[in-house]
Amino acid sequence: ILNVEQSPQSLHVQEGDSTNFTCSFPSSNFYALHWYRWETAKSPEALFVMTLNGDEKKKGRISATLNTKEGYSYLYIKGSQPEDSATYLCAPYMKTSGSRLTFGEGTQLTVNP
Amino acid sequence: DTGVSQDPRHKITKRGQNVTFRCDPISEHNRLYWYRQTLGQGPEFLTYFQNEAQLEKSRLLSDRFSAERPKGSFSTLEIQRTEQGDSAMYLCASSSAGGAHSPLHFGNGTRLTVT
Repeated sequence: ILNVEQSPQSLHVQEGDSTNFTCSFPSSNFYALHWYRWETAKSPEALFVMTLNGDEKKKGRISATLNTKEGYSYLYIKGSQPEDSATYLCAPYMKTSGSRLTFGEGTQLTVNP
Repeated sequence: DTGVSQDPRHKITKRGQNVTFRCDPISEHNRLYWYRQTLGQGPEFLTYFQNEAQLEKSRLLSDRFSAERPKGSFSTLEIQRTEQGDSAMYLCASSSAGGAHSPLHFGNGTRLTVT
């Protein structure tokens, strides 16, 4: 069983705050890392797919970094807005995983206006 | 392109009954996945199709679960003799042929409640 850890489990911030979460995964056999955002009553939506050590990706106020040697990724949100409230899921894809993504439990973000 | 659609959105059934869910992926996607999500957990992989071939099944998928994708388009997931532990959100996703580099496109899910 692949160990994927996300922290914190939940987070409450004020509108305008910047925040970040962590995703940890085994560094051996790493192939790619996916980040998804899942808003209540909607479907999970892909944010980023990252593969290279040192990768940094950005989408509006959200960015992510990847460290494959130590097995972690950070997701940053700059100037959080209430519409950023969602569960953020990471899912590594390992060379030994076949075709499956293994999801972490997610970080539930609530942005208070 | 209307995205991935799942039907029904909600299903309430009594223990012991059979249920079937349907997933219509994005039309040009040849890869289709089923995941299950329970409260407080991330989605758990159930099974994967490439075109009509079921290439991978999780050990989570007991004999009561069966999935098909007969013509490589829509897929069905059937649960026989449902148990209360089957209550969960069942998510379908599709992706293009880029493998691990291709993001999954999820449907809205089917929420199953077994009473």
